[in-house]
Amino acid sequence: GNSVTQMEGPVTLSEEAFLTINCTYTATGYPSLFWYVQYPGEGLQLLLKATKADDKGSNKGFEATYRKETTSFHLEKGSVQVSDSAVYFCALSDQRGSQGNLIFGKGTKLSVKP
Amino acid sequence: NAGVTQTPKFQVLKTGQSMTLQCAQDMNHEYMSWYRQDPGMGLRLIHYSVGAGITDLGEVPNGYNVSRSTTEDFPLRLLSAAPSQTSVYFCAVRRPGQNPNYGYTFGSGTRLTVV
Repeated sequence: GNSVTQMEGPVTLSEEAFLTINCTYTATGYPSLFWYVQYPGEGLQLLLKATKADDKGSNKGFEATYRKETTSFHLEKGSVQVSDSAVYFCALSDQRGSQGNLIFGKGTKLSVKP
Repeated sequence: NAGVTQTPKFQVLKTGQSMTLQCAQDMNHEYMSWYRQDPGMGLRLIHYSVGAGITDLGEVPNGYNVSRSTTEDFPLRLLSAAPSQTSVYFCAVRRPGQNPNYGYTFGSGTRLTVV
């Protein structure tokens, strides 16, 4: 079945450091890939997405590239801010099955120190 | 325009009690779903609905019931609460159709503790 594996946290960085959160997936079809962010006490918000191989999703300085050959969708940001402190979830959705339901990774908590 | 509204925000139940978590949306989206979030487990799908009168099972449906009589509402019922159902519950909706690229809108969650 489909699944998502993302790096375990927590991740603690200093402000302006480079961020990478690894995400790999297993899927039988051609899934769409997403990164969601959850700020403390809130629900999830879509951060970025990619719908086919080699697509790059980007938003708020974050980027992720859909790599079919390595089944990966790693999240990167060149210079993190304290306001980026949150939990980040990688997710996939297979359009051809399961009504396009989202399958989430376990989440990675990011803390950015000033 | 409230989007997706979940009530209550917090709830404490005793083992064996029943309750209903409410999810209401004013976005006219056909697809609605319930997830639970547990530490180290990410979000797992409980039930989902692709339209009024239609519901289906997710990954972890045991102990939960749902119904969908209107487009706007998708309540989640716990008939006999158990400590294992202590979790944060999120309702998520999506634009019409099966294309997940439209993106989901999440409610702010209900934190449930079963003692």
